[in-house]
Amino acid sequence: SAVISQKPSRDICQRGTSLTIQCQVDSQVTMMFWYRQQPGQSLTLIATANQGSEATYESGFVIDKFPISRPNLTFSTLTVSNMSPEDSSIYLCSVIDPRYEKLFFGSGTQLSVL
Amino acid sequence: AQSVTQPDIHITVSEGASLELRCNYSYGATPYLFWYVQSPGQGLQLLLKYFSGDTLVQGIKGFEAEFKRSQSSFNLRKPSVHWSDAAEYFCAVGRNSGNTPLVFGKGTRLSVIA
Repeated sequence: SAVISQKPSRDICQRGTSLTIQCQVDSQVTMMFWYRQQPGQSLTLIATANQGSEATYESGFVIDKFPISRPNLTFSTLTVSNMSPEDSSIYLCSVIDPRYEKLFFGSGTQLSVL
Repeated sequence: AQSVTQPDIHITVSEGASLELRCNYSYGATPYLFWYVQSPGQGLQLLLKYFSGDTLVQGIKGFEAEFKRSQSSFNLRKPSVHWSDAAEYFCAVGRNSGNTPLVFGKGTRLSVIA
């Protein structure tokens, strides 16, 4: 099974600042995704992190707010920019191989914005 | 586009009683279906998944789920609930190509009473 290291595990940030979340996988995977889970809510897909090209964002999410990098097949970062209290959520990375042979979630980053 | 409905926001059962959590999906072709559990402060854990074949799927922790195409359902069951099963349960659907992110239902919170 794949091992995903996501960090930081939690952070408390000030309004207006930015936080970069890292997702490291111990094997090469084709698909990496970033989700947000707001308090008491389900998981909402933010974007698909494409290796070697720009991320593909879901409706309601934009690159200026959530820039994503995917420099290789084992690593991705999500930045939450110009944060406001509404950004307080758990952010999770997910890796999937075709046919869902590998399907894993990171342990999440608990973000609180004051 | 795929969608998932979990009709029950919160369910309370007595320890030792049976459990059924409902999940209905919307997808034009044969979906890939998943159940995840999220305990308080914990990450997502995959309970079971259905791709094809036998419509009754066995998972971890004594859970099982049955795929019913005619009802577009994938309900999760457990014959005897333990107090440690108290958690949030998410049903998710993916496309049968296996190269897209999962779409999650809103979740069902399970409480277990003595």
